[in-house]
Amino acid sequence: AQSVTQLDSQVPVFEEAPVELRCNYSSSVSVYLFWYVQYPNQGLQLLLKYLSGSTLVESINGFEAEFNKSQTSFHLRKPSVHISDTAEYFCAVRYRDNYGQNFVFGPGTRLSVLP
Amino acid sequence: SQTIHQWPATLVQPVGSPLSLECTVEGTSNPNLYWYRQAAGRGLQLLFYSVGIGQISSEVPQNLSASRPQDRQFILSSKKLLLSDSGFYLCAWRDYPGNEQFFGPGTRLTVL
Repeated sequence: AQSVTQLDSQVPVFEEAPVELRCNYSSSVSVYLFWYVQYPNQGLQLLLKYLSGSTLVESINGFEAEFNKSQTSFHLRKPSVHISDTAEYFCAVRYRDNYGQNFVFGPGTRLSVLP
Repeated sequence: SQTIHQWPATLVQPVGSPLSLECTVEGTSNPNLYWYRQAAGRGLQLLFYSVGIGQISSEVPQNLSASRPQDRQFILSSKKLLLSDSGFYLCAWRDYPGNEQFFGPGTRLTVL
């Protein structure tokens, strides 16, 4: 069965410092990879995705993630974080089953940006 | 553009009472629909998904059920709530063969 690991449940970091949120998945087949962000008491919003092509994908607010097939990883990075980046971040993998294509989510990483 | 609605936004229910959470999607046809539960401090657990009217797949055994009476309506129900049913319930949709899921604003359920 597919699984997604996010090793860090909480990541505190000071404002303007760099951050990396780690994501590893278990799969020997092609996957699509996603990062979602969740602000308090809200639903999840898509941050960025890897479907094919360039292994480095970027979001409009300065986050980027790199697909590494050999390491089965899709780590999320930002060179300089802001207070407004405080949120929970979920990594997700899309796989195919008999009904169609479903998703497996990691347990989430809570990013806290400190002033 | 597509939008997804969930109601109620918050709900406090006693143990043993029934439950009905509703999710509707606008601006798309024949979407795949999903119900997730997010317990405090934990990730998302897929409860049910549906690829069409009346077609429901259950991911985990539980006292919850789901129904899809209309193409863009997905309902999560229970006959008798348990304390462990407390959590944040998220509905999501995906176009076929779309690439990502889009989430609703969620319903915070507290069972006392």
